[in-house]
Amino acid sequence: DTGVSQNPRHKITKRGQNVTFRCDPISEHNRLYWYRQTLGQGPEFLTYFQNEAQLEKSRLLSDRFSAERPKGSFSTLEIQRTEQGDSAMYLCASTTSTGELFFGEGSRLTVL
Amino acid sequence: AQSVSQHNHHVILSEAASLELGCNYSYGGTVNLFWYVQYPGQHLQLLLKYFSGDPLVKGIKGFEAEFIKSKFSFNLRKPSVQWSDTAEYFCAVNPYTSGTYKYIFGTGTRLKVLA
Repeated sequence: DTGVSQNPRHKITKRGQNVTFRCDPISEHNRLYWYRQTLGQGPEFLTYFQNEAQLEKSRLLSDRFSAERPKGSFSTLEIQRTEQGDSAMYLCASTTSTGELFFGEGSRLTVL
Repeated sequence: AQSVSQHNHHVILSEAASLELGCNYSYGGTVNLFWYVQYPGQHLQLLLKYFSGDPLVKGIKGFEAEFIKSKFSFNLRKPSVQWSDTAEYFCAVNPYTSGTYKYIFGTGTRLKVLA
């Protein structure tokens, strides 16, 4: 499968724990995006990278959230000291400069 | 701030009925426009996109959308829906001329087609 891959698909954690999600984009795609989606809402922008550079972060992204794309390939999204409000589906998408986003299956986070 | 509005949150139709889902965005510059679909249990997939040219664009599975610049709208249409069109539909805008390459999504429209 050469699509966008996300791991883990589902993570259940206790409040206060740290979690990390990984995204492997389509190999030739230079832009990588992270979104968050909750029930009944559309994908909410978190951040995006062009190659290894993080070019934009949402103001909604608190300092507990950090994302990296160290070699311009895969990316990680870490959430520190999780809160119940962090429970959501975390989506990764990638694209070339032409603009169509290709989404992964998502990583569902449940914070107890 | 740029935003996308989808006014129909839930739509229920019978098979063979016509569909039109509204999408309006708030940005005065040049944009790229998209409709995505999310079938139950699946990831978001592109239905169609508009970058430039003919404002009437055709996508997969018989869907089409019309870009009306003066109304900041990009409504999705299908003449005759099928049960398999039951899904959630998201409109998205990329206001790239504003200096950002982020994509802004609407809240989605949940479509249920009755057999």
